[in-house]
Amino acid sequence: GAVVSQHPSRVICKSGTSVKIECRSLDFQATTMFWYRQFPKQSLMLMATSNEGSKATYEQGVEKDKFLINHASLTLSTLTVTSAHPEDSSFYICSAREGTSGEETQYFGPGTRLLVL
Amino acid sequence: SQKIEQNSEALNIQEGKTATLTCNYTNYSPAYLQWYRQDPGRGPVFLLLIRENEKEKRKERLKVTFDTTLKQSLFHITASQPADSATYLCALQTNAGKSTFGDGTTLTVKP
Repeated sequence: GAVVSQHPSRVICKSGTSVKIECRSLDFQATTMFWYRQFPKQSLMLMATSNEGSKATYEQGVEKDKFLINHASLTLSTLTVTSAHPEDSSFYICSAREGTSGEETQYFGPGTRLLVL
Repeated sequence: SQKIEQNSEALNIQEGKTATLTCNYTNYSPAYLQWYRQDPGRGPVFLLLIRENEKEKRKERLKVTFDTTLKQSLFHITASQPADSATYLCALQTNAGKSTFGDGTTLTVKP
């Protein structure tokens, strides 16, 4: 199946710093990428949908100025957590989809564990 | 409001038995329903997709049913193995492509 990578796999940072997470589709072109966050023993919560070359669509309650998303190419999307605080500590997972019909499978990255001290 | 419920947080069964996981939803009209497997500290892995006009789909030891009248999907793993132990997530997807996930059921298969 299609492979999606994320980098870094885990990051520890000080409060107030910014952290960038990369999501890459390795063997297919992703017209749409999704960013999720997941707390322990909880479901994936969709943060935003990003389409290549256009602005991301954020879910209600997600601060777009805090979670900057850039989908500059068909194989790369980045999520930047700006001025991170301890409450931003979570497991961030991206997924990528190849087409636009809605039926296509989402392929998930391995996730990035963020710990803000 | 829209709600997705997976039958239980945890399910323990003996190796060789069939595991049955349930996904119920309310106030939702999904076009597709998907099941994923997630291991601790990892991203979900796609298993099966079933469309709203399909009643059943199979893949090796896996079987998914989709009843839009009951608003329920059942996910079966036959001849379960300890390696099947993981958290299984159901996700409802609209034609717009956005998926909403349930909280998951953690399956433990004991040898």
